[in-house]
Amino acid sequence: GAVVSQHPSRVICKSGTSVKIECRSLDFQATTMFWYRQFPKQSLMLMATSNEGSKATYEQGVEKDKFLINHASLTLSTLTVTSAHPEDSSFYICSALPGLAGVETQYFGPGTRLLVL
Amino acid sequence: AQTVTQSQPEMSVQEAETVTLSCTYDTSESDYYLFWYKQPPSRQMILVIRQEAYKQQNATENRFSVNFQKAAKSFSLKISDSQLGDAAMYFCAYVLWGQNFVFGPGTRLSVLP
Repeated sequence: GAVVSQHPSRVICKSGTSVKIECRSLDFQATTMFWYRQFPKQSLMLMATSNEGSKATYEQGVEKDKFLINHASLTLSTLTVTSAHPEDSSFYICSALPGLAGVETQYFGPGTRLLVL
Repeated sequence: AQTVTQSQPEMSVQEAETVTLSCTYDTSESDYYLFWYKQPPSRQMILVIRQEAYKQQNATENRFSVNFQKAAKSFSLKISDSQLGDAAMYFCAYVLWGQNFVFGPGTRLSVLP
């Protein structure tokens, strides 16, 4: 089946630094990738939709200058948390939508746990 | 806006028994997809079952089946012969073509030995 990877799986950083999270579709091309955030014991909340070759679309309340998304190729999208603060600590999950498939074939990455000290 | 509601924050079931998790959603669309995802402690989202709204027949996957009531906008998940490995968070989700998933708040399922 289709596989989506995320790197790193977990990261600890100091407040004020930037952290980059990669989301890769390993065996298919993804025209669209989604970035979610999940706080403990809560559901997944969409942060932004990333389309290859165009600017990401951010959900209301998500700071686009803080959460930079780059979908530079059909297999890679990156989320950069700039000037991270402790409140940015969370679990970040991406999902990828194959270009030629129906909507139901979105595949989730394993997630990245971010801890900002 | 579409919303998904799961009214049971926590459920428990005895091993080998059957449990039903509830899900309701709100949409004005007629063509959409519904899913149940399982999130174990590893936090990897695992697809359990999916249902196309245009199909009247309820989806089944081995021990997992759904009761899809389109008019009532209800999509419950039945787990038969519950196993210890079924213990996890279960999320109901709704999606339109090409758009992101809208997830419910989740139900934490415990399986008692």
